[in-house]
Amino acid sequence: EAGVAQSPRYKIIEKRQSVAFWCNPISGHATLYWYQQILGQGPKLLIQFQNNGVVDDSQLPKDRFSAERLKGVDSTLKIQPAKLEDSAVYLCASSLESRDTDTQYFGPGTRLTVL
Amino acid sequence: DAKTTQPNSMESNEEEPVHLPCNHSTISGTDYIHWYRQLPSQGPEYVIHGLTSNVNNRMASLAIAEDRKSSTLILHRATLRDAAVYYCILRGGGSNYKLTFGKGTLLTVNP
Repeated sequence: EAGVAQSPRYKIIEKRQSVAFWCNPISGHATLYWYQQILGQGPKLLIQFQNNGVVDDSQLPKDRFSAERLKGVDSTLKIQPAKLEDSAVYLCASSLESRDTDTQYFGPGTRLTVL
Repeated sequence: DAKTTQPNSMESNEEEPVHLPCNHSTISGTDYIHWYRQLPSQGPEYVIHGLTSNVNNRMASLAIAEDRKSSTLILHRATLRDAAVYYCILRGGGSNYKLTFGKGTLLTVNP
C-alpha cells in the first residue's frame, strides 16, 4: 500500500514570497490533515478536511495560509506571503475517517526555510 | 484539550526493555490513549492505542493504570531503530478526535 506522498521535500524562499505544498493521501482515506512542526516542537494541526470539506481550521493563520482539497483527494497548502516564523516542516497525514481509534498516516513532510 | 506529561528524554541500551511513562491526570472517561513516534527526519508513525485494558501489538505494549491517570509504553527489546521522539496523546470526542502533540520524550538507544 502506497503511503502519503508530499512534494516538494525541501523548499527555500525569501520572506514575502509565496509557496505551495502538495499532498496525495492514501487511497480511500476520507480525512486529510496538514500539520506544522517547528524545530524542537511536536506537530501542530493547521487544518483538517473530511472529504473536500473543512472540519477544523481553528489554528490556520488565515491571513496568509490557505488550503484546499479538490475532489476530496489531493490537497495543497499555500502560504502567501511567507514570514520568517513560517520556517518549519509541513506534514500531511490521512486517515480512513476521523474517530478516536483511527490511525493517522503521515507523509515525510516538506521542510520550508524562509530567509 | 486534555494534557499529558512526559519526560523530556530517556536513555536505554540496545536489546534492553524500555518503559516510557506518561501522566494524564485530567483524562476523561472516553479519551483513548494513543502513542506515536517520530524517527529522525520522518513524519510521526502510529505505535499503539488503548482505552482501559493493557494492549499488545508487534511494536510495543501499552500498560494503563487502573485509574487511567497514567500509562506506560513498553518496548520489550530496544533496537537502534527505536531511537525517536515518542508522543503520548489523548484523543476523544471532546477535542473532535484531534491528535494534539506535546514535545514528547526523546529516546536515545545506546549500542
